[in-house]
Amino acid sequence: GENVEQHPSTLSVQEGDSAVIKCTYSDSASNYFPWYKQELGKGPQLIIDIRSNVGEKKDQRIAVTLNKTAKHFSLHITETQPEDSAVYFCAATREGSARQLTFGSGTQLTVLP
Amino acid sequence: SQTIHQWPATLVQPVGSPLSLECTVEGTSNPNLYWYRQAAGRGLQLLFYSVGIGQISSEVPQNLSASRPQDRQFILSSKKLLLSDSGFYLCAWSVSLYEQYFGPGTRLTVT
Repeated sequence: GENVEQHPSTLSVQEGDSAVIKCTYSDSASNYFPWYKQELGKGPQLIIDIRSNVGEKKDQRIAVTLNKTAKHFSLHITETQPEDSAVYFCAATREGSARQLTFGSGTQLTVLP
Repeated sequence: SQTIHQWPATLVQPVGSPLSLECTVEGTSNPNLYWYRQAAGRGLQLLFYSVGIGQISSEVPQNLSASRPQDRQFILSSKKLLLSDSGFYLCAWSVSLYEQYFGPGTRLTVT
């Protein structure tokens, strides 16, 4: 089955700096890669995703890049703000009747004011 | 717009007691439904998923079970809880082949 590894497990940045979180996946058939943000005590919120036919996607201050050859994808957050502090999860999935997601282990991002 | 509800929000149960967690989705039809568990400080583990009424697939052998009695209702159950069942239980839905949306979760503590 799919295996997703996520790094780093914790990341602290100064407000206004950029943050990068990286994930690698094992199943070359995976073709959908979402990113979730989870605040303390809440359910994960889908913030951006990318499909395998695209190399990069951007939405305001967040962007995701995908390298299918190397089987890795990354989340980039620019101009970080204190409200960006949360746990971020990457995930991967392949074609299938139910699209089961395999998640990375999460990154605790802290934006220092 | 679509909305997902989970209840209860928090639950404290003794070892050996039964469990029933409920998830309902509004504003959509025939969604795929999922139960995940998140241990403290850990990632999300898929427990069950359902592509239709009465259709349940299990990902992890355990003392939990799931049922889908109605199109937009998904229930997670146990006959006898273990200490290891403690965690944050999340329900999710999807109608596309891609995006999954999570509910607010249920915090279960087994004592």
